[in-house]
Amino acid sequence: NAGVTQTPKFRILKIGQSMTLQCTQDMNHNYMYWYRQDPGMGLKLIYYSVGAGITDKGEVPNGYNVSRSTTEDFPLRLELAAPSQTSVYFCASSYYGTGDGSGYTFGSGTRLTVV
Amino acid sequence: AQSVTQLGSHVSVSEGALVLLRCNYSSSVPPYLFWYVQYPNQGLQLLLKYTSAATLVKGINGFEAEFKKSETSFHLTKPSAHMSDAAEYFCAVIPSGGGADGLTFGKGTHLIIQP
Repeated sequence: NAGVTQTPKFRILKIGQSMTLQCTQDMNHNYMYWYRQDPGMGLKLIYYSVGAGITDKGEVPNGYNVSRSTTEDFPLRLELAAPSQTSVYFCASSYYGTGDGSGYTFGSGTRLTVV
Repeated sequence: AQSVTQLGSHVSVSEGALVLLRCNYSSSVPPYLFWYVQYPNQGLQLLLKYTSAATLVKGINGFEAEFKKSETSFHLTKPSAHMSDAAEYFCAVIPSGGGADGLTFGKGTHLIIQP
């Protein structure tokens, strides 16, 4: 049981480049989330999805895009990388938006540096 | 809107001493509350959760937390600190019954264990 898998683990981008952070879960969870983590700031929600074909913005969506074509996959796209997007990105999933109190399952993270 | 406040970005205790990490929430009704732990270069792992059952909740690795409605608090404790407890700890909140945009995280507390 792999849980939530994120790739790549590390990446260095140049300003203006684009990339996709991949996230896959094998638990048949309906809800998926993308967070960014910056030192001393906790986790900020970028985008979330409540099921295939449905996505919505979180607290810090600017500069990012997402899609959810299947239950398993929830990729995060950076179109024009900026230094402000240097961060650690976490993908998470839950079965029922934690309405059942089960909490999230997190991936191991992607550390992105934009230079 | 709900929120959590973690008092102290860094907490240092001696090995064998009591660990106390503070979390206060802001919500119009008692929410669900979670504590997560993050070890260096890893994702977040669920320590324990409060979902309106017992107010004293026991988690993994000897940690426990008590929900106090009168104080709007959910402080995390461990009677005797171990070197392996050194990590970042996050308190998180969601309305009871869940919410589409998921958990709101505190800024985290870095726990340092002195030998």
